[in-house]
Amino acid sequence: TQLLEQSPQFLSIQEGENLTVYCNSSSVFSSLQWYRQEPGEGPVLLVTVVTGGEVKKLKRLTFQFGDARKDSSLHITAAQPGDTGLYLCAGEYGTASKLTFGTGTRLQVTL
Amino acid sequence: GAVVSQHPSRVICKSGTSVKIECRSLDFQATTMFWYRQFPKKSLMLMATSNEGSKATYEQGVEKDKFLINHASLTLSTLTVTSAHPEDSSFYICSAITGSRLNQPQHFGDGTRLSIL
Repeated sequence: TQLLEQSPQFLSIQEGENLTVYCNSSSVFSSLQWYRQEPGEGPVLLVTVVTGGEVKKLKRLTFQFGDARKDSSLHITAAQPGDTGLYLCAGEYGTASKLTFGTGTRLQVTL
Repeated sequence: GAVVSQHPSRVICKSGTSVKIECRSLDFQATTMFWYRQFPKKSLMLMATSNEGSKATYEQGVEKDKFLINHASLTLSTLTVTSAHPEDSSFYICSAITGSRLNQPQHFGDGTRLSIL
């Protein structure tokens, strides 16, 4: 069974601070996706990383895929209240396009 | 962009009732749909993979007779929770992809909150 552990589980910060969320596994994934989910809604895809060592930027968000394709990180610069939500990493494995979701990081950004 | 619609968004019913949840891909053909369950403040847990025209593949520990999945067309999959009980209360989310290539994003519905009294 593939397991994805995210840390921290919960993060409460003030507007303007930087933060990093980690997603770790002992399994190798063909790709890794990051999602953000708001209460009562489905997850929304932020990015997909495929190549070991790959770095992708989405405005203030920077995503990195580990060299061995077992881990990933999400860094947010100058967090804003609109960044509040549940951040989920998800690893794709096998040939069936199935995803294993991480344990989740709940981010709260206050003014 | 690809849109997945889930209906109903919320349902409250008595114990013993069977509840059907629909998942529709509105602007693309979904060869594969996935059904997830999410407990409060927890992550998504894959329940089953549904391919159009074939039987669903259930994850270990998920009762296929309890959670009936039908994927009769390329735009519709349904999840029926049979004889629902309070422990079946949860947030159920579907997602869909088209084709079988890897590294494509799953398009998620907005979920159905099921509450069994």
